[in-house]
Parts: sequence; structure tokens; C-alpha cells
Amino acid sequence: GNSVTQMEGPVTLSEEAFLTINCTYTATGYPSLFWYVQYPGEGLQLLLKATKADDKGSNKGFEATYRKETTSFHLEKGSVQVSDSAVYFCALSEGGGYQKVTFGIGTKLQVIP
Amino acid sequence: EPEVTQTPSHQVTQMGQEVILRCVPISNHLYFYWYRQILGQKVEFLVSFYNNEISEKSEIFDDQFSVERPDGSNFTLKIRSTKLEDSAMYFCASSVQYSNSPLHFGNGTRLTVT
Repeated sequence: GNSVTQMEGPVTLSEEAFLTINCTYTATGYPSLFWYVQYPGEGLQLLLKATKADDKGSNKGFEATYRKETTSFHLEKGSVQVSDSAVYFCALSEGGGYQKVTFGIGTKLQVIP
Repeated sequence: EPEVTQTPSHQVTQMGQEVILRCVPISNHLYFYWYRQILGQKVEFLVSFYNNEISEKSEIFDDQFSVERPDGSNFTLKIRSTKLEDSAMYFCASSVQYSNSPLHFGNGTRLTVT
């Protein structure tokens, strides 16, 4: 079956530090890959996505590249802000008309001033 | 921007009681979902719903669970006889009808079974 493995947190960084959150996946087909973010007290929001190999998803300064050869989708940001403090979920979907999404466990990021 | 709304935000119930969690998906979306997250664990798929019937359900979604779209706007999850292990955050989501469209999630309902 499908699975997503991501680094467990919490990750604590100083403002303006470089962020990497690792994510690897196992899937039977050619999934779409996502990063969702959950800010305190809120629901899950789509941060970025990539639907095929070598695609790069980007949003709000975050980037992730779909690497089929390493089955990875690592999240990066060059300079984090306090407002980036949240839980980040790597996820995949096999596509089709509906989206059964498989999530990773989530990585809590705390950015300190 | 339109959003998925869930009520209540927190529900406390006694073991064995029935609970109904409510969701209002985004109005032009056609696929609806329930996910749950037990504290400290992964977000898990429960069920997807399309055209007034279940499209797929996980092994978690046993006979104690049911979903319904009672009118044109609400989407509900019913747990018939709650157990302690049903305590979790339950997320409703919806999506439009095309491949690879992202899910839009609500803020969740925290269910506590005592």
C-alpha cells in the first residue's frame, strides 16, 4: 500500500534560517505529491503540490521537487519567519476522480525570533 | 475565499452515546471526505462520498460509522455508539471533480469520548 515517511519534529529554527523537512514515499503507481500546513487552531491547508516527476511546487517561499528516482519530496525554504511556525504534512494521492490522500505523521516547526 | 466549515469545534460525549459531526463543504465541490487524526498519530482517511453514495472507505470506517448528505449543503458523520478510541480530531474535506484537485479541509471537530 501507499505510505509517506517524514521526519518527526519538533524542528526549532531561528528566524531567517534555512529549512528542510524530509519526505519520502512509497506508492504503487504515479502519485501526486502535496505538502499541507496546519497553523495553530486551524485546519489543513494545501501549501504546494507536484503532479509528476521533476515538477517543482512552490508557494509562500516554500519549494519541493518531485524526485521519482529517490521517491522524495523534501520541503525547503531559504529563510523562515516566525509566522511559518506550524505543523507540515507531506502527503500523496493516486489521483482519479476523488482524492484518497495518504498523509505523513506531520512535522512541527517552531521558529523563534 | 470559500471554506469548509465544521461544527462543533469540540464535542464531549460519553462512551456508548451517538454523535453527529457536521460539515458544510464548499458549495461547488462534488466530492466529500472525512479524515481523522488521533492525538500524536497520522491523519487517516475514513471515507469519500460522491453522488450521494460512498466511493471508498477505509477499514476504520466500520458499521459504527455512517455518512449522509441530508440536504444540499450539509455533510455529516455519525458514530452510532462511541468508544474511547474514537477520541480524535475529525476533519471534513471537499474537492471539485477533476483529477489531482486539492482537498480543502475544515478546521476540524475535536471529539472526546469519556
